Amino acid sequence: GDSVTQMEGPVTLSEEAFLTINCTYTATGYPSLFWYVQYPGEGLQLLLKATKADDKGSNKGFEATYRKETTSFHLEKGSVQVSDSAVYFCALMGSGGSNYKLTFGKGTLLTVNP
Amino acid sequence: GAGVSQTPSNKVTEKGKYVELRCDPISGHTALYWYRQSLGQGPEFLIYFQGTGAADDSGLPNDRFFAVRPEGSVSTLKIQRTERGDSAVYLCASTPGKGHYNEQFFGPGTRLTVL
Repeated sequence: GDSVTQMEGPVTLSEEAFLTINCTYTATGYPSLFWYVQYPGEGLQLLLKATKADDKGSNKGFEATYRKETTSFHLEKGSVQVSDSAVYFCALMGSGGSNYKLTFGKGTLLTVNP
Repeated sequence: GAGVSQTPSNKVTEKGKYVELRCDPISGHTALYWYRQSLGQGPEFLIYFQGTGAADDSGLPNDRFFAVRPEGSVSTLKIQRTERGDSAVYLCASTPGKGHYNEQFFGPGTRLTVL
Protein backbone atom coordinates (compact mmCIF):
# COMPACT_ATOMS: atom_id res chain seq x y z
CA GLY A 1 0.00 0.00 0.00
CA ASP A 2 0.85 3.67 -0.03
CA SER A 3 3.38 4.93 2.49
CA VAL A 4 5.36 8.04 3.36
CA THR A 5 8.73 8.15 5.08
CA GLN A 6 10.02 11.43 6.39
CA MET A 7 13.09 12.55 8.21
CA GLU A 8 12.91 11.88 11.90
CA GLY A 9 13.21 14.79 14.24
CA PRO A 10 13.48 16.70 16.22
CA VAL A 11 15.26 19.30 14.15
CA THR A 12 16.68 22.33 15.94
CA LEU A 13 17.97 25.32 13.97
CA SER A 14 18.99 28.88 14.62
CA GLU A 15 17.03 31.70 13.05
CA GLU A 16 17.96 32.36 9.40
CA ALA A 17 19.39 28.86 8.94
CA PHE A 18 18.56 26.74 5.89
CA LEU A 19 15.97 24.01 6.38
CA THR A 20 15.56 20.68 4.62
CA ILE A 21 13.14 17.99 5.74
CA ASN A 22 13.38 14.88 3.62
CA CYS A 23 10.32 12.98 2.46
CA THR A 24 10.07 9.91 0.23
CA TYR A 25 7.00 7.96 -0.74
CA THR A 26 5.78 4.65 -2.08
CA ALA A 27 2.63 4.64 -4.17
CA THR A 28 1.24 3.22 -7.37
CA GLY A 29 0.28 5.53 -10.19
CA TYR A 30 0.56 9.27 -9.85
CA PRO A 31 -0.18 10.48 -6.33
CA SER A 32 -0.56 14.08 -5.26
CA LEU A 33 1.93 15.21 -2.61
CA PHE A 34 1.47 17.58 0.31
CA TRP A 35 3.17 19.21 3.24
CA TYR A 36 0.97 19.98 6.23
CA VAL A 37 2.05 22.01 9.25
CA GLN A 38 0.78 21.85 12.82
CA TYR A 39 1.64 24.89 14.93
CA PRO A 40 1.54 24.51 18.72
CA GLY A 41 -2.06 24.32 19.91
CA GLU A 42 -3.50 24.50 16.41
CA GLY A 43 -4.94 22.10 13.85
CA LEU A 44 -3.27 20.77 10.71
CA GLN A 45 -2.92 23.31 7.94
CA LEU A 46 -2.02 22.71 4.33
CA LEU A 47 1.36 24.33 3.66
CA LEU A 48 1.89 23.43 0.01
CA LYS A 49 1.10 20.77 -2.54
CA ALA A 50 2.12 19.39 -5.94
CA THR A 51 -0.11 17.26 -8.10
CA LYS A 52 2.22 16.03 -10.85
CA ALA A 53 5.85 15.23 -11.50
CA ASP A 54 8.25 18.20 -11.57
CA ASP A 55 5.63 20.52 -10.06
CA LYS A 56 6.97 22.82 -7.37
CA GLY A 57 4.72 23.77 -4.49
CA SER A 58 5.54 26.93 -2.57
CA ASN A 59 4.09 28.98 0.27
CA LYS A 60 5.43 31.27 3.02
CA GLY A 61 8.99 30.85 1.73
CA PHE A 62 8.79 27.04 1.82
CA GLU A 63 9.24 24.99 -1.35
CA ALA A 64 9.05 21.35 -2.36
CA THR A 65 9.47 19.74 -5.79
CA TYR A 66 7.70 16.54 -6.83
CA ARG A 67 10.48 14.22 -8.04
CA LYS A 68 9.01 11.08 -9.51
CA GLU A 69 12.40 9.59 -10.42
CA THR A 70 13.49 9.61 -6.78
CA THR A 71 9.94 9.38 -5.32
CA SER A 72 10.72 12.38 -3.14
CA PHE A 73 9.13 15.64 -2.03
CA HIS A 74 11.69 17.32 0.23
CA LEU A 75 10.67 20.49 2.06
CA GLU A 76 13.09 23.44 1.99
CA LYS A 77 13.26 26.97 3.27
CA GLY A 78 16.18 29.31 2.78
CA SER A 79 15.92 31.22 6.05
CA VAL A 80 13.79 29.94 8.91
CA GLN A 81 12.15 32.10 11.55
CA VAL A 82 11.19 31.40 15.15
CA SER A 83 7.56 31.43 14.01
CA ASP A 84 8.25 28.39 11.78
CA SER A 85 8.58 26.20 14.86
CA ALA A 86 5.97 23.48 14.36
CA VAL A 87 5.47 19.86 13.39
CA TYR A 88 5.65 19.23 9.63
CA PHE A 89 3.91 16.29 7.97
CA CYS A 90 4.54 14.99 4.49
CA ALA A 91 1.50 13.29 2.94
CA LEU A 92 0.26 11.76 -0.26
CA MET A 93 -3.12 11.23 -1.83
CA GLY A 94 -3.32 8.24 -4.09
CA SER A 95 -4.55 8.30 -7.65
CA GLY A 96 -7.35 6.18 -8.99
CA GLY A 97 -9.94 4.74 -6.65
CA SER A 98 -8.48 6.12 -3.43
CA ASN A 99 -7.99 9.68 -4.57
CA TYR A 100 -9.58 11.12 -1.46
CA LYS A 101 -7.66 9.83 1.56
CA LEU A 102 -4.37 11.16 2.79
CA THR A 103 -1.49 8.96 3.91
CA PHE A 104 0.83 10.82 6.29
CA GLY A 105 4.39 10.45 7.44
CA LYS A 106 5.16 10.46 11.16
CA GLY A 107 5.93 14.15 11.31
CA THR A 108 9.07 16.15 12.01
CA LEU A 109 9.25 18.57 14.92
CA LEU A 110 11.12 21.74 14.01
CA THR A 111 12.32 24.15 16.69
CA VAL A 112 13.87 27.43 15.61
CA ASN A 113 15.83 29.35 18.23
CA PRO A 114 16.42 33.11 18.12
CA GLY B 1 -18.38 29.00 11.48
CA ALA B 2 -15.41 29.68 9.27
CA GLY B 3 -13.63 26.40 9.83
CA VAL B 4 -14.13 22.80 10.86
CA SER B 5 -15.05 22.53 14.52
CA GLN B 6 -14.83 19.52 16.80
CA THR B 7 -16.28 18.91 20.23
CA PRO B 8 -15.27 18.21 22.84
CA SER B 9 -11.67 19.37 22.58
CA ASN B 10 -10.71 16.92 25.31
CA LYS B 11 -12.44 13.80 26.54
CA VAL B 12 -11.29 11.63 29.42
CA THR B 13 -13.13 8.37 29.95
CA GLU B 14 -12.71 5.06 31.68
CA LYS B 15 -11.96 1.79 29.97
CA GLY B 16 -15.15 0.12 28.81
CA LYS B 17 -17.20 3.31 28.48
CA TYR B 18 -18.91 4.63 25.36
CA VAL B 19 -17.89 7.96 23.79
CA GLU B 20 -19.14 10.19 21.02
CA LEU B 21 -17.00 12.73 19.20
CA ARG B 22 -18.63 15.41 17.07
CA CYS B 23 -17.48 17.17 13.92
CA ASP B 24 -19.04 20.22 12.28
CA PRO B 25 -17.61 20.62 8.77
CA ILE B 26 -17.29 23.84 6.84
CA SER B 27 -20.71 24.91 5.62
CA GLY B 28 -21.45 23.50 2.18
CA HIS B 29 -18.70 20.89 2.25
CA THR B 30 -20.13 17.57 1.14
CA ALA B 31 -17.12 15.36 1.85
CA LEU B 32 -16.04 14.60 5.44
CA TYR B 33 -13.15 12.53 6.78
CA TRP B 34 -12.10 11.18 10.14
CA TYR B 35 -8.46 10.47 10.99
CA ARG B 36 -6.76 9.25 14.16
CA GLN B 37 -3.41 10.55 15.32
CA SER B 38 -1.62 8.49 17.94
CA LEU B 39 1.24 9.95 19.94
CA GLY B 40 4.33 10.44 17.79
CA GLN B 41 2.57 9.34 14.62
CA GLY B 42 0.97 11.00 11.63
CA PRO B 43 -2.79 10.97 11.20
CA GLU B 44 -4.28 7.71 9.92
CA PHE B 45 -7.42 7.53 7.81
CA LEU B 46 -10.52 6.09 9.45
CA ILE B 47 -13.58 6.85 7.32
CA TYR B 48 -14.81 9.04 4.46
CA PHE B 49 -18.34 10.35 3.90
CA GLN B 50 -19.69 11.74 0.68
CA GLY B 51 -22.99 13.28 1.71
CA THR B 52 -24.80 11.06 4.18
CA GLY B 53 -23.19 7.78 3.21
CA ALA B 54 -19.90 6.27 4.27
CA ALA B 55 -18.08 5.84 0.96
CA ASP B 56 -15.06 4.17 2.59
CA ASP B 57 -14.87 2.90 6.17
CA SER B 58 -11.86 0.67 5.60
CA GLY B 59 -9.74 2.51 8.16
CA LEU B 60 -12.00 1.83 11.15
CA PRO B 61 -9.90 -0.46 13.35
CA ASN B 62 -12.71 -2.78 14.48
CA ASP B 63 -16.46 -2.98 15.03
CA ARG B 64 -16.29 -0.92 18.23
CA PHE B 65 -15.89 2.12 15.99
CA PHE B 66 -18.82 3.56 14.06
CA ALA B 67 -19.54 6.92 12.47
CA VAL B 68 -22.69 8.57 11.16
CA ARG B 69 -23.61 11.65 9.20
CA PRO B 70 -27.39 11.50 9.03
CA GLU B 71 -28.09 14.84 7.37
CA GLY B 72 -24.95 15.20 5.33
CA SER B 73 -23.46 17.85 7.60
CA VAL B 74 -22.49 17.10 11.21
CA SER B 75 -20.80 13.77 11.83
CA THR B 76 -20.43 11.76 15.02
CA LEU B 77 -17.71 9.19 15.63
CA LYS B 78 -18.85 6.62 18.18
CA ILE B 79 -16.57 4.30 20.11
CA GLN B 80 -18.00 1.49 22.20
CA ARG B 81 -16.27 -0.34 25.05
CA THR B 82 -13.28 1.99 24.90
CA GLU B 83 -9.80 0.56 25.43
CA ARG B 84 -6.61 2.28 26.53
CA GLY B 85 -5.24 1.82 23.02
CA ASP B 86 -8.00 4.08 21.69
CA SER B 87 -6.29 7.06 23.33
CA ALA B 88 -5.35 9.45 20.53
CA VAL B 89 -6.29 12.72 18.88
CA TYR B 90 -9.24 12.25 16.54
CA LEU B 91 -9.20 14.65 13.61
CA CYS B 92 -11.99 15.60 11.28
CA ALA B 93 -11.56 17.19 7.87
CA SER B 94 -13.89 18.36 5.13
CA THR B 95 -13.70 19.32 1.46
CA PRO B 96 -16.14 20.92 -0.95
CA GLY B 97 -16.76 17.54 -2.55
CA LYS B 98 -16.11 15.92 -5.87
CA GLY B 99 -13.29 17.48 -7.80
CA HIS B 100 -11.86 19.07 -4.67
CA TYR B 101 -10.31 16.06 -2.98
CA ASN B 102 -6.98 17.79 -2.67
CA GLU B 103 -8.15 20.52 -0.33
CA GLN B 104 -8.82 18.92 3.02
CA PHE B 105 -9.47 21.41 5.81
CA PHE B 106 -8.82 20.02 9.28
CA GLY B 107 -10.43 20.74 12.60
CA PRO B 108 -8.44 21.16 15.84
CA GLY B 109 -9.13 17.60 16.93
CA THR B 110 -10.52 15.87 20.00
CA ARG B 111 -7.96 14.45 22.39
CA LEU B 112 -9.37 11.21 23.80
CA THR B 113 -7.78 9.69 26.89
CA VAL B 114 -8.95 6.30 28.07
CA LEU B 115 -7.90 5.55 31.65
